[in-house]
Amino acid sequence: DQQVKQNSPSLSVQEGRISILNCDYTNSMFDYFLWYKKYPAEGPTFLISISSIKDKNEDGRFTVFLNKSAKHLSLHIVPSQPGDSAVYFCAAYYNNNDMRFGAGTRLTVKP
Amino acid sequence: DVKVTQSSRYLVKRTGEKVFLECVQDMDHENMFWYRQDPGLGLRLIYFSYDVKMKEKGDIPEGYSVSREKKERFSLILESASTNQTSMYLCASSSGLVINEQFFGPGTRLTVL
Repeated sequence: DQQVKQNSPSLSVQEGRISILNCDYTNSMFDYFLWYKKYPAEGPTFLISISSIKDKNEDGRFTVFLNKSAKHLSLHIVPSQPGDSAVYFCAAYYNNNDMRFGAGTRLTVKP
Repeated sequence: DVKVTQSSRYLVKRTGEKVFLECVQDMDHENMFWYRQDPGLGLRLIYFSYDVKMKEKGDIPEGYSVSREKKERFSLILESASTNQTSMYLCASSSGLVINEQFFGPGTRLTVL
């Protein structure tokens, strides 16, 4: 039972445009959400997170939006750069329990 | 610079072999985790440990065991490897205070023939 879902396995955008990666979750107990970025042959690295008490968190070109009523979060990258090309994993977590990951979305940013 | 290292990047084993995957972190983290990554399934937690000699089952512990004799080292053991254990294995660690921001190793791609 996948509690965290990323329904788009891949996304392609032009350099300079906005990339929007989506994530849905089913467990309303989740209270902390993270995005990880993974390059080939490397482990995932933490990118940005958001607590359930917020609906937006921004860090430079990266913004995460949380819609608790819809159980949906999204990662916006503006402007997208070729170096952003990677697999992005959404993850959710609550109360010292293990973290649940989505299946990942492969982002390709074309020059 | 934080570091999580895994003993092998690529490993090929035969069905029925006992396999050891080693993970070492140099950040004095309390928590360590083993995941496997498969296409379309993302990262799934196999086992985790909150302290030395402690272990907890994750979502898919069947066919695996773990050992944490020292704080910096967390080993994943496949007692009798099977072809459905062919996967990318990722180790991670986190501080006891910031359990949710995990630092990952580069992964071990295991092929079981």
